[in-house]
Amino acid sequence: ETVMTQSPDTLSVSPGERATLTCRASQKFGSNLAWYQQKPGQAPRLLIYGASTRATGIPARFSVSGSGTERTLTISSLQSEDFAVYYCQQYNNWPPTFGQGTKVEIK
Amino acid sequence: EVQLAQSGAELKKPGESLKISCKGSGYSFPSYWIAWVRQMPGEGLEWMGIIHPDDSETKYSPSFQGHVTISADKSISTAYLQWRSLKASDTGIYYCARRSPALASDYWGQGTLVTVSS
Repeated sequence: ETVMTQSPDTLSVSPGERATLTCRASQKFGSNLAWYQQKPGQAPRLLIYGASTRATGIPARFSVSGSGTERTLTISSLQSEDFAVYYCQQYNNWPPTFGQGTKVEIK
Repeated sequence: EVQLAQSGAELKKPGESLKISCKGSGYSFPSYWIAWVRQMPGEGLEWMGIIHPDDSETKYSPSFQGHVTISADKSISTAYLQWRSLKASDTGIYYCARRSPALASDYWGQGTLVTVSS
């Protein structure tokens, strides 16, 4: 199966600063990559799909860049509501697989 | 409004059986695949399998094949995840999620906590 590796495991950022999260795959996934945000006690929420398309209601401060088997999720200016765990998921290869997550915490 | 409403928390003993549910509303339930995702305590997300409610076509992740059964009843807009014999290692939160036409999971249930303990 396709192994998704996220880095770092934990990212400490001050509000207003930029956060950069990376996701690397062991196999190609084309544009079939999604990012999810999960807050404590809540279900995951879809942020971005199709490699770079924001889901409904997701603000423009979330963006994705990269190519090949690596993508970077950038949160341009962290808001208080952005502190959470972020997961990438490839759905190009069977079975769909998630990264282990990156926790974005308040510095 | 699209909603996936999952059944409530369960406390079971090893060896017992269990069936949890996920009821969709606000959209054409038969038309969208429903996936099940596990989250063990303090851990990440694991994709288990998926079902198309219209014809009950089902696909499993190899890691979960043979350990769980996914089913659906489109007449009541409900998908199910079932175990015949639970183990302590099945403890976790189980989410159902709708697969969008773009193939990502765009709507999620609130999760069902399953605790297996003697």
